[in-house]
Amino acid sequence: DAEITQSPRHKITETGRQVTLACHQTWNHNNMFWYRQDLGHGLRLIHYSYGVQDTNKGEVSDGYSVSRSNTEDLPLTLESAASSQTSVYFCASSGSTGELFFGEGSRLTVL
Amino acid sequence: GQQLNQSPQSMFIQEGEDVSMNCTSSSIFNTWLWYKQDPGEGPVLLIALYKAGELTSNGRLTAQFGITRKDSFLNISASIPSDVGIYFCAGRSVGSGNTGKLIFGQGTTLQVKP
Repeated sequence: DAEITQSPRHKITETGRQVTLACHQTWNHNNMFWYRQDLGHGLRLIHYSYGVQDTNKGEVSDGYSVSRSNTEDLPLTLESAASSQTSVYFCASSGSTGELFFGEGSRLTVL
Repeated sequence: GQQLNQSPQSMFIQEGEDVSMNCTSSSIFNTWLWYKQDPGEGPVLLIALYKAGELTSNGRLTAQFGITRKDSFLNISASIPSDVGIYFCAGRSVGSGNTGKLIFGQGTTLQVKP
């Protein structure tokens, strides 16, 4: 079955370190998204991509970057992790119907 | 930016009761989606709606795309303990096409007392 997987599921890091969260989907979807979820804020869009070599900023993109070198993967990089980036991160993808399918999430703690 | 107002924020009900929640938008949408999130997991799509007035069921769940295209409703009949979780509405505004960004509501936390 097609799926979307995130890794790692849990990560603890220190302030200032670079962190990369991986997202891999096997649906062959063109559209991929990264969200963060925090209490009181719901799901907030960080970055998104509509295809290979395409990336766009979402509403909370500062401190994050993405790259899209193939259809299956959209890694999210925190260049210099900050405590404010402690959160649960969800990757999602969608195809022509526009229905969004989410991964299981990556819980990041920045100490 | 655009926002969705989802209500209620939380519900605590008795097993067997029916549940209703809704989302309203300040602008017209062409798509409404309803998701459920269990603790420690990602949101899972429950129902997708694409036309004003559309009424769609998925087991004990029924959702409707409002006639004004600015709202949507989700009903759960005869609730059971496994209905516990956070329910999110999400919508896509007219003009953003089929693949445009979704706007999410803040979520409704449902607790069911056996």
